[in-house]
Amino acid sequence: GQQLNQSPQSMFIQEGEDVSMNCTSSSIFNTWLWYKQEPGEGPVLLIALYKAGELTSNGRLTAQFGITRKDSFLNISASIPSDVGIYFCAGQLSYGQNFVFGPGTRLSVLP
Amino acid sequence: GAGVSQSPSNKVTEKGKDVELRCDPISGHTALYWYRQRLGQGLEFLIYFQGNSAPDKSGLPSDRFSAERTGESVSTLTIQRTQQEDSAVYLCASSSRLEETQYFGPGTRLLVL
Repeated sequence: GQQLNQSPQSMFIQEGEDVSMNCTSSSIFNTWLWYKQEPGEGPVLLIALYKAGELTSNGRLTAQFGITRKDSFLNISASIPSDVGIYFCAGQLSYGQNFVFGPGTRLSVLP
Repeated sequence: GAGVSQSPSNKVTEKGKDVELRCDPISGHTALYWYRQRLGQGLEFLIYFQGNSAPDKSGLPSDRFSAERTGESVSTLTIQRTQQEDSAVYLCASSSRLEETQYFGPGTRLLVL
């Protein structure tokens, strides 16, 4: 089946630093989603992207739909301790198909 | 409620016993999904239901796993003769339709001793 790769697998940063993570695939996707999962909780949707090149913000979070449609990026500015969690990307190959999830990027924020 | 709910929150069982996990999707959502998440791992797709269509069972890891859905409401995931490797968080999600964004429940944490 289709696979998504996420990098880095994990990261440790200092509070206040900016964070950048990405999601890549060998296939072209028509929709990208970014989720965050906090310890002991289910994933929560952060941002949805529907068009190549689209740049969307949600507070300190900014995500972009790559021009090639094979990747997406998520940036977090001025990180805070509550940003800790696992960030999953999910992609949809074409409308009407199920979403495929990446393995996640585990973010730790050091005070 | 407004979101996806799952029960029980936690389940501890003995190896060889059967367990049943429940998911209540968001009202009106026609699509429902089950995922497994092992400790420190990503989401492993198990099965999805879309309206009255035949479910996609392609992710079920063995015939010990089965799921049912009553109409467009509650779903149950059953694991028979549980094994220790079945220990994981089982997440349920629903969406208004198959192609739409999925909203997740809090999960059921299963521990098989």
